[in-house]
Amino acid sequence: DAGVTQSPTHLIKTRGQHVTLRCSPISGHKSVSWYQQVLGQGPQFIFQYYEKEERGRGNFPDRFSARQFPNYSSELNVNALLLGDSALYLCASSLARWGGEETQYFGPGTRLLVL
Amino acid sequence: SQQGEEDPQALSIQEGENATMNCSYKTSINNLQWYRQNSGRGLVHLILIRSNEREKHSGRLRVTLDTSKKSSSLLITASRAADTASYFCATSSGSARQLTFGSGTQLTVLP
Repeated sequence: DAGVTQSPTHLIKTRGQHVTLRCSPISGHKSVSWYQQVLGQGPQFIFQYYEKEERGRGNFPDRFSARQFPNYSSELNVNALLLGDSALYLCASSLARWGGEETQYFGPGTRLLVL
Repeated sequence: SQQGEEDPQALSIQEGENATMNCSYKTSINNLQWYRQNSGRGLVHLILIRSNEREKHSGRLRVTLDTSKKSSSLLITASRAADTASYFCATSSGSARQLTFGSGTQLTVLP
């Protein structure tokens, strides 16, 4: 079975632009979470979606939004990009309704560079 | 914010030696998980230990959990060059719907 897939793998944007990142969970997984990992730090939680509904939100500004589709794939959108948004964006899927209760399977990430 | 803090931040050992990494956290937890990350790519789940467990093994990995000290350790025995990676602990707490990660330990295993 395929693991979690993310696209694109790399992205370069300029300040003020908008970006959309995509994630496909492992088949059968209904929960998708998004994390931001700045260089040299651990991942920080952005959103969790389960059955197309937002179930959790981290401490990120409203410029960050996400949604989950009927096939459980997900998009993360970031508006009005700032230099500080440069990071590795990780998507994780799991079976559980509560994303932290069991193993989360991570995709390879999308590396975003904002110039 | 980071819940856990790994110690040491960086560790360099020879192949065949054991590597021990420690994680401290601040609040009560449901479970604690360890992940490995190679070269800034995706994280690979290594092991999960629940708050009512004290020790768990998986292959060359041994994890301990001391909830009274709010700390955990990850032991990798007979290390290999392929174990070179960053290792993160992550906690799940209360009704929170996410994992809270520490800042990681960079392990280098020299051949």
